Amino acid sequence: DGGITQSPKYLFRKEGQNVTLSCEQNLNHDAMYWYRQDPGQGLRLIYYSQIVNDFQKGDIAEGYSVSREKKESFPLTVTSAQKNPTAFYLCASRKGQFDGYTFGSGTRLTVV
Amino acid sequence: AQSVTQPDIHITVSEGASLELRCNYSYGATPYLFWYVQSPGQGLQLLLKYFSGDTLVQGIKGFEAEFKRSQSSFNLRKPSVHWSDAAEYFCAVVPMNRDDKIIFGKGTRLHILP
Repeated sequence: DGGITQSPKYLFRKEGQNVTLSCEQNLNHDAMYWYRQDPGQGLRLIYYSQIVNDFQKGDIAEGYSVSREKKESFPLTVTSAQKNPTAFYLCASRKGQFDGYTFGSGTRLTVV
Repeated sequence: AQSVTQPDIHITVSEGASLELRCNYSYGATPYLFWYVQSPGQGLQLLLKYFSGDTLVQGIKGFEAEFKRSQSSFNLRKPSVHWSDAAEYFCAVVPMNRDDKIIFGKGTRLHILP
């Protein structure tokens, strides 16, 4: 079955370290998205990509970076510049404007 | 400012009772509208969507939503809730003039009393 796979499910990072969250989809969707979720704040858009080798900043891109070298993959790097990285991170993809998102099951990142 | 508002942060209903979750949007033209559900520690699942046509939309898990243009609302309803419906529900829109991303409300957490 097609879907989105996020890994790992839980991730621990020491302060000052960069860490990369994986997101892979086999749905042949063009657009992919990264959201951050904090309690009471809903989903906030970090980065999105509508086509390979192109991506745009979302509302809270500072301290994050992405790449889109393949249609199937959209990894997110949380850099040491992100002041408060502890959160639940959700990856999503969408085929077109008339389609809703398909979400992965998320990665919970904790800074220790 | 353009926004999606879910006025209720938490709602508690008894099992078997009816449910209505509110969603209001403020965009110039009617956007595309969605409702998602999220169980704890999981991703979001699409319940239903509205683009045009019949203003009463049926979704999965027995949910429905009604689009009311005059009230800029897209409220989610279920006639009889089950304990398994306890989750967080998100209303979302895709603005007509900016269709490259979905804007989410802050969510409503639904609690079910036995």
